[in-house]
Amino acid sequence: GQSLEQPSEVTAVEGAIVQINCTYQTSGFYGLSWYQQHDGGAPTFLSYNGLDGLEETGRFSSFLSRSDSYGYLLLQELQMKDSASYFCAVPSGYSTLTFGKGTMLLVSP
Amino acid sequence: EAQVTQNPRYLITVTGKKLTVTCSQNMNHEYMSWYRQDPGLGLRQIYYSMNVEVTDKGDVPEGYKVSRKEKRNFPLILESPSPNQTSLYFCASTQGISSPLHFGNGTRLTVT
Repeated sequence: GQSLEQPSEVTAVEGAIVQINCTYQTSGFYGLSWYQQHDGGAPTFLSYNGLDGLEETGRFSSFLSRSDSYGYLLLQELQMKDSASYFCAVPSGYSTLTFGKGTMLLVSP
Repeated sequence: EAQVTQNPRYLITVTGKKLTVTCSQNMNHEYMSWYRQDPGLGLRQIYYSMNVEVTDKGDVPEGYKVSRKEKRNFPLILESPSPNQTSLYFCASTQGISSPLHFGNGTRLTVT
């Protein structure tokens, strides 16, 4: 089966950089995804890493090391609107995802 | 607009009264799934479907049924709801394993 570990909560101030780590155990690896969820809302896709290395999308970057079963999401120039929960996820089977329990990011002024 | 539509958004019911939460997607995705979200437990998969008439259990399928008679629709059925099924439910669809999962807006279910 699959399991993912990520911190339950991270705090930071506006303008700062924060890194949310994720370690995983999975049988048959097909990539690591990240999702953002604001309170009361639906999760939305942020990024996908199928290969080792860094993927950058604007202020957000995601990194994967398959040999270490480890990835992280990096958020730069933090804004108040980035306060949300962030989930890492790995595929389970052909087309569905197993999610970590989520990291709540609190951005303060 | 590409979207996954769930209904209802909120539902309060009593123990044992059968209910159905509908889910529809307009992106022609083959793959659909249901998740429940509970505080501290994250998103847990209930059932998923790889195509019409093809469904399989996820991690927490007990007490739920699904059907996939048409590609666009994937309803979640609670034949006899119980209070431990009080949760926030999300339907999702995707093109495949490395593609984004598109979520509906969620259904907040309370079973008393």
